[in-house]
Amino acid sequence: NAGVTQTPKFQVLKTGQSMTLQCAQDMNHNSMYWYRQDPGMGLRLIYYSASEGTTDKGEVPNGYNVSRLNKREFSLRLESAAPSQTSVYFCASNNRAYVNQPQHFGDGTRLSIL
Amino acid sequence: DQQVKQNSPSLSVQEGRISILNCDYTNSMFDYFLWYKKYPAEGPTFLISISSIKDKNEDGRFTVFLNKSAKHLSLHIVPSQPGDSAVYFCAASEETSGSRLTFGEGTQLTVNP
Repeated sequence: NAGVTQTPKFQVLKTGQSMTLQCAQDMNHNSMYWYRQDPGMGLRLIYYSASEGTTDKGEVPNGYNVSRLNKREFSLRLESAAPSQTSVYFCASNNRAYVNQPQHFGDGTRLSIL
Repeated sequence: DQQVKQNSPSLSVQEGRISILNCDYTNSMFDYFLWYKKYPAEGPTFLISISSIKDKNEDGRFTVFLNKSAKHLSLHIVPSQPGDSAVYFCAASEETSGSRLTFGEGTQLTVNP
């Protein structure tokens, strides 16, 4: 019963390097989300995909791009990593076609940018 | 502009007693509210939710209360158990589908044996 799977779990990058964070869900959900969590703060929405083929900006999209590869997979790309992007990144999914659908989260990717 | 706020960074209670976690919001368009529990090095786990058309929802030891006029919700855990020790986040969405969540900062609950 995997749910939402994120890879990698940890990563250290140098400033200016690029990287793609992967997320896959096996719950047949139509909507997927990327959040970041910084110390002392709640999770903040970076980008989301309401359905396959669509993506929209969230609260903090600058410096990121996303791809909804298919219904299962939603990736987050940092083109030129900056120290301010050091954070824990969480992917989530839900079935937005119905009401009162909680989002289910992966265990996160801990990213450090030096 | 912090639309969802949890004013208590931490709360400590004795095993068997009630834990009350609080959350305030400013956006009157929020329609669906959730509580998540988070252990270290894991993702948030959904705990309980409430729609804006209700003022109370129960699930076992967990009850969520919503006061729309005060823009306030609370989570009651009775009785508290040591395994409940975690960070609790409240979250809100303008859509009943639960899309685009806005989170509070979290409250660290410690339940002492």
